[in-house]
Amino acid sequence: GEDVEQSLFLSVREGDSSVINCTYTDSSSTYLYWYKQEPGAGLQLLTYIFSNMDMKQDQRLTVLLNKKDKHLSLRIADTQTGDSAIYFCAERNDYKLSFGAGTTVTVRA
Amino acid sequence: EPEVTQTPSHQVTQMGQEVILRCVPISNHLYFYWYRQILGQKVEFLVSFYNNEISEKSEIFDDQFSVERPDGSNFTLKIRSTKLEDSAMYFCASSVPGQTRTGELFFGEGSRLTVL
Repeated sequence: GEDVEQSLFLSVREGDSSVINCTYTDSSSTYLYWYKQEPGAGLQLLTYIFSNMDMKQDQRLTVLLNKKDKHLSLRIADTQTGDSAIYFCAERNDYKLSFGAGTTVTVRA
Repeated sequence: EPEVTQTPSHQVTQMGQEVILRCVPISNHLYFYWYRQILGQKVEFLVSFYNNEISEKSEIFDDQFSVERPDGSNFTLKIRSTKLEDSAMYFCASSVPGQTRTGELFFGEGSRLTVL
């Protein structure tokens, strides 16, 4: 079955790094994703990682995947106020995605 | 850049009324989805649609729900007799499986449904 778990809240100081963690259950997931949701807006794909990769870096974003532990993390370097949002981890099962509950990231000055 | 569009952005309805939420997926996409997000909760899968039929649906998607692709561009979600607990943000999404290899879903901005 599919069950994606995330911590619900993260508060970080502007300029510091944010790390958002996620665990998933379906070992057959081929892709894992991070989506961002700003207030009142839809879900925007931030980045993804293929299941045979350990790490993916994309500018300020670093995704780490520990397939053995089914653990996924998103690190945002030099966190800015515009990074304040809800971040959703998602795993792909067949042609649909299963989402976690989302981590609300609050960036404080 | 192509995007998924949804209408209305917000709809208020009385309990028991029928509601139709509309979506225009990205034009060359093949899979279409509805998700919903009750305030403060997880984004939940409702249904996927491919080749003019439902390919998968969740337990939430009971007989009160239906989907349709009435023409080549629109994809609709109908709730026949709304209940208070149907109040949520409904997201439409589309994807192109296989060719992009990454399989990500492209989401619309959502339709907020408030049932009174």
